[in-house]
Amino acid sequence: QVQLQESGPGLVKPSETLSLTCTVSGGSISSYYWSWIRQPPGKGLEWIGYIYDSGNTNYNPSLKSRVTISVDTSKNQLSLKLSSVTAADTAVYYCARGCSATSCFLPPFWGQGTLVTVSS
Amino acid sequence: DIQMTQSPSSLSASVGDRVTITCRASQFINDILNWFQQKPGKAPNLLIYAASSLQSGVPSRFSGSRSGTDFTLTISGLQPEDFATYYCQQSYSTPQTFGQGTKVEIK
Repeated sequence: QVQLQESGPGLVKPSETLSLTCTVSGGSISSYYWSWIRQPPGKGLEWIGYIYDSGNTNYNPSLKSRVTISVDTSKNQLSLKLSSVTAADTAVYYCARGCSATSCFLPPFWGQGTLVTVSS
Repeated sequence: DIQMTQSPSSLSASVGDRVTITCRASQFINDILNWFQQKPGKAPNLLIYAASSLQSGVPSRFSGSRSGTDFTLTISGLQPEDFATYYCQQSYSTPQTFGQGTKVEIK
């Protein structure tokens, strides 16, 4: 059973860059679409973007200018960088496995999430 | 963007009730629709994927269905542990989008 674990600083200063890592165990990171999703406290879910096959990325237009998602296949990890953060970026951040290379009729797998607070 | 209009935003129900939550997609999304349950302080928990496939380990009182661009999550016989917030998610096209959530409360 694949498992995902997010990690990174829980506190980031305004205007700085938020950096998170998602470590994947129990399965390969290859041949799947990997997403980052966030949820501000007390609010709904927002898809940030995905990466496929190391170089194929797709970002939410609302965040596109500030987001970078990358993969390190040697470590079975994906990462998220969000630049120029403000208090509005305070949220629980989740990584998730989505479609495979050949099918979207699969159950997604989500990590447990990590809370990032933007504050000075 | 595909809008997912989820209704109702909240509902009150009793243990044993049959509960129905609906998500309407603004355009065709095939069956690429997931349902999640979320309890306070916890990550969303997958209930249904591909519109009607029950995730392993999820009780059979949960079911999902599709009619065109309307998707329904049904809980047949609400249990105390089912009081939570429910979300739909479409991953058919980007940006992936979620419904606004339905909070199921105790009557």
